[in-house]
Amino acid sequence: KNEVEQSPQNLTAQEGEFITINCSYSVGISALHWLQQHPGGGIVSLFMLSSGKKKHGRLIATINIQEKHSSLHITASHPRDSAVYICAALSSGSARQLTFGSGTQLTVLP
Amino acid sequence: DSGVTQTPKHLITATGQRVTLRCSPRSGDLSVYWYQQSLDQGLQFLIQYYNGEERAKGNILERFSAQQFPDLHSELNLSSLELGDSALYFCASSGTPNSPLHFGNGTRLTVT
Repeated sequence: KNEVEQSPQNLTAQEGEFITINCSYSVGISALHWLQQHPGGGIVSLFMLSSGKKKHGRLIATINIQEKHSSLHITASHPRDSAVYICAALSSGSARQLTFGSGTQLTVLP
Repeated sequence: DSGVTQTPKHLITATGQRVTLRCSPRSGDLSVYWYQQSLDQGLQFLIQYYNGEERAKGNILERFSAQQFPDLHSELNLSSLELGDSALYFCASSGTPNSPLHFGNGTRLTVT
């Protein structure tokens, strides 16, 4: 069993829809990252959060430390949001390693 | 533009060969991380350096090694290459281990 589980694996939405991607982790963490990987392969860091909620434009990330769960929401989705979204857990302790989820392939149709 | 530069963008080589991947971190960032992304394993953490010293090690094979130089650029050396080493290799940097990561565009390695 992966230490970081994402769902769904694939998601197709119509433009304008509200999207939620979920991430659960089983290890103690110091922070959780949400990453976006474009079709060309480049990776962009969207959020790094250790508690509560963060918002950037149409993107919102939340984390519940007690439930070991995080969500990424996209409001008013657009075809340019089509990408793979990856959550990654940053381990606590002295060795700060990232453990990655398998990613969610999002396709937003016009 | 993340400010992290990786070279080369593409590399095609044969089994048994050795290659060196290079990463220049964002200006001012002391931490450099290397990751491997393969089709069957997804993204995996390989190794982290902080200001020239190895800080953390992940799923890095013994055939692979890395170092961070005084000017903070880093190199990942892959030797005795196998077909299964074909993957995207990403470098990322951060100011501190608790800072957001900035990723390079990756080096796509193909071993034939």
